[in-house]
Amino acid sequence: EDKVVQSPLSLVVHEGDTVTLNCSYEVTNFRSLLWYKQEKKAPTFLFMLTSSGIEKKSGRLSSILDKKELFSILNITATQTGDSAVYLCAVATQGGSEKLVFGKGMKLTVNP
Amino acid sequence: GAGVSQSPRYKVAKRGQDVALRCDPISGHVSLFWYQQALGQGPEFLTYFQNEAQLDKSGLPSDRFFAERPEGSVSTLKIQRTQQEDSAVYLCASSLDKNYGYTFGSGTRLTVV
Repeated sequence: EDKVVQSPLSLVVHEGDTVTLNCSYEVTNFRSLLWYKQEKKAPTFLFMLTSSGIEKKSGRLSSILDKKELFSILNITATQTGDSAVYLCAVATQGGSEKLVFGKGMKLTVNP
Repeated sequence: GAGVSQSPRYKVAKRGQDVALRCDPISGHVSLFWYQQALGQGPEFLTYFQNEAQLDKSGLPSDRFFAERPEGSVSTLKIQRTQQEDSAVYLCASSLDKNYGYTFGSGTRLTVV
C-alpha cells in the first residue's frame, strides 16, 4: 500500500527561526512529490518535484527530493507568523489513476 | 472561473439524510478529483474523473457515495443516508495535465448530527 509519512507532525517556533519539514514515502510507480500549504481549507500549491537533487526555491521556501532515499524536505527560512499553517506532502503515481497520496500534514505555529 | 469553486461551504445534515456537494473546476481542466479530509488528517482520495469518465473510484468508502461529472465540467458528490463518520471536509481539485500542479477548492465542511 502506498504510504507518505511526515515528520514532525507539529512544530512551534519563534519568528525568524528556520524550520525543516520532512516527508518520506513508499509508493509504487513514483511520478512526482508535491508540497501544499493549508491555512483554512484549500491547500495551496507550493512545489512539485520530479528529479532528485534539484532544489526548487520560492522566496524563503525551498525544497529538494532524494529519490534514492525516498524523501523530501521543505525548508522555510526567517519564518514569519504568516507561515503558520498545515504543510502537506503528497506523492503522485504514474500508470492508471493520477490520484495523490497525502501524508497527515505538519502543523507549524510561528509565534511573534 | 479563476479557481475551483465548491458549494455549499458548510452543510449540516441529519443522520440518514442525503446530501449533494458540488464542484465547479477551472475551465478547461480535464482531470477532477474528490478528497475527504477528516479533522487533523491529510486528504484521502475518493474518486477521479478524466473529462466525463470516472477512471478511478477506488477510494469511495461505501456504496452510499456516488460521484458524477456528466458533461465533463461540473461534478457532484452525493452521499446517501449520511452517517456521523461521514463528517469531514470534502475537497475537490482539478488539473489541466498531470505534469502541472493540482488546484484545490476551499472544500465543503459536512457535519452529520
